[in-house]
Amino acid sequence: NAGVTQTPKFRVLKTGQSMTLLCAQDMNHEYMYWYRQDPGMGLRLIHYSVGEGTTAKGEVPDGYNVSRLKKQNFLLGLESAAPSQTSVYFCASSDSNSPLHFGNGTRLTVT
Amino acid sequence: QQQVKQSPQSLIVQKGGISIINCAYENTAFDYFPWYQQFPGKGPALLIAIRPDVSEKKEGRFTISFNKSAKQFSLHIMDSQPGDSATYFCAASYSGNTPLVFGKGTRLSVIA
Repeated sequence: NAGVTQTPKFRVLKTGQSMTLLCAQDMNHEYMYWYRQDPGMGLRLIHYSVGEGTTAKGEVPDGYNVSRLKKQNFLLGLESAAPSQTSVYFCASSDSNSPLHFGNGTRLTVT
Repeated sequence: QQQVKQSPQSLIVQKGGISIINCAYENTAFDYFPWYQQFPGKGPALLIAIRPDVSEKKEGRFTISFNKSAKQFSLHIMDSQPGDSATYFCAASYSGNTPLVFGKGTRLSVIA
């Protein structure tokens, strides 16, 4: 039982490049989330999903897109990376009977 | 607008001492208040949580104290150990499994 798996673990992008972060969970959770963590800023919600095929904006959605085509996967896309998107990205999942389970993060640097 | 304010930003405690981290919230609709613990290179993990129908919850050395009228809750770590050194986040949400809103975190260092 792997829980929440994020790939890749590390990535360096140049400004303007695009990439997709993948999150997979094997707990059959209904809800999935993407947070970013920055020093002194805590965890801020980017986008979330309450079920397959649904997505919603969080606190800091600009510059990101998401898709939830399968219940177990939640993708976070950066269409045109900017240095301000340098951060550690965490995916999490939950359902009505469980707390948030986090992955171990993706450390992204945009130069 | 920060919905959950956490203090202090950092805390140094002697081994065996009590660590106290405080959080204040604004939204009176919040009814779930968890604390998460994060070690370097790892994702946060649930430590302990409370709902507003009780004023205190204890699990081992970890206790949440909750003051509904003051809209504040705190984490107390008794007999703090070097292994407790981590970043702690308070959070809040309301019914319906709405997304958690996190505080900015407290970096705790327990020194021998």
